[in-house]
Amino acid sequence: GAGVSQSPSNKVTEKGKDVELRCDPISGHTALYWYRQSLGQGLEFLIYFQGNSAPDKSGLPSDRFSAERTGGSVSTLTIQRTQQEDSAVYLCASSDRGRKGEKLFFGSGTQLSVL
Amino acid sequence: DQQVKQNSPSLSVQEGRISILNCDYTNSMFDYFLWYKKYPAEGPTFLISISSIKDKNEDGRFTVFLNKSAKHLSLHIVPSQPGDSAVYFCAASYTNAGKSTFGDGTTLTVKP
Repeated sequence: GAGVSQSPSNKVTEKGKDVELRCDPISGHTALYWYRQSLGQGLEFLIYFQGNSAPDKSGLPSDRFSAERTGGSVSTLTIQRTQQEDSAVYLCASSDRGRKGEKLFFGSGTQLSVL
Repeated sequence: DQQVKQNSPSLSVQEGRISILNCDYTNSMFDYFLWYKKYPAEGPTFLISISSIKDKNEDGRFTVFLNKSAKHLSLHIVPSQPGDSAVYFCAASYTNAGKSTFGDGTTLTVKP
């Protein structure tokens, strides 16, 4: 596809369960980002992958959050033992080379609701 | 410590008039700034950007102004159209940072 694809678009889960969110970036883009937007808030950085470099995990809020990027393409964000405060829209973005000022292309997000 | 701030949560303007959205930042290392527009249930889309070596960048109806000494930037939309109604995010980045830091957004409503 031409754009960034995220799945599922909506996920409802029970507190304490694990969830996996998937992101397919634009083909050829070497940089991939995860952000989340809680209700009424801005975009909060979570993690950044650039090529074969070690990911920047500085935004992950706790050790319940992890992410991987396989083969330099698809990425999965995993949240273990979900809590109600994890409820948010999780947005994935990709960019060509991850250079300063390079525009990000966002997916439509996954709306996560933890009951 | 919020490094990028958009102090106006919302703005309402009449169609055809100018919309001015503001953004302030605290980290003097930021040297590249971008604006994104977001419609409901969609991801943000890139609108316009500016490097710190410039103080103005224009693209059609959209102009971004940067005041480095005040650590302030603004987005001007002239003339405003109802289709411009969306949430606008200011973002900043710097060399080797990789990630962009976003503000909380301003919801713009353009009334016909």
